[in-house]
Amino acid sequence: EAQVTQNPRYLITVTGKKLTVTCSQNMNHEYMSWYRQDPGLGLRQIYYSMNVEVTDKGDVPEGYKVSRKEKRNFPLILESPSPNQTSLYFCASSFSREPYEQYFGPGTRLTVT
Amino acid sequence: GQNIDQPTEMTATEGAIVQINCTYQTSGFNGLFWYQQHAGEAPTFLSYNVLDGLEEKGRFSSFLSRSKGYSYLLLKELQMKDSASYLCAVMDSNYQLIWGAGTKLIIKP
Repeated sequence: EAQVTQNPRYLITVTGKKLTVTCSQNMNHEYMSWYRQDPGLGLRQIYYSMNVEVTDKGDVPEGYKVSRKEKRNFPLILESPSPNQTSLYFCASSFSREPYEQYFGPGTRLTVT
Repeated sequence: GQNIDQPTEMTATEGAIVQINCTYQTSGFNGLFWYQQHAGEAPTFLSYNVLDGLEEKGRFSSFLSRSKGYSYLLLKELQMKDSASYLCAVMDSNYQLIWGAGTKLIIKP
């Protein structure tokens, strides 16, 4: 089954404790992206990757890191989480950066206290 | 700046028709997407328009007018399972997706 998986689905952590949210896709997609979704706001892109070892900042990259060492995986790293990073996070992938449908992971609800 | 506007919330009756509007101002245009998002779930793709006109897909249709910076999603024969948020997104000239905040659609029996 074609899918994007994310782990964990739910995470409660404390300020400053490093965490990683994993993302994996099995569709051989070149383009992967991380979004955060907050009430009343549209999806905001954090980082994206057009292929292995190619990553770039989105609209809200501060406080986040990513890597793309393999085509299927695109982890999101919060080196020192803060309460304003409490949000719902989605990983997404598509065939390429051009106008193709994006496939979203199930989401990770992160709470930073 | 770049901007996508859509109503925050709409209410409709089961079996009826509803139209969700989206207006946009972006730097260039490479197409407009509609996604459906049930509460607590991931967005799923509904439609993509890049040329003016109406695209029909079962009970759902999407319309685009590039000259007016306007699109709508039309849902017919509403069912309770259509209760969800509907997200409008425009791809700009740099192939960046600009997302609207979404329209929460409430279906009443």
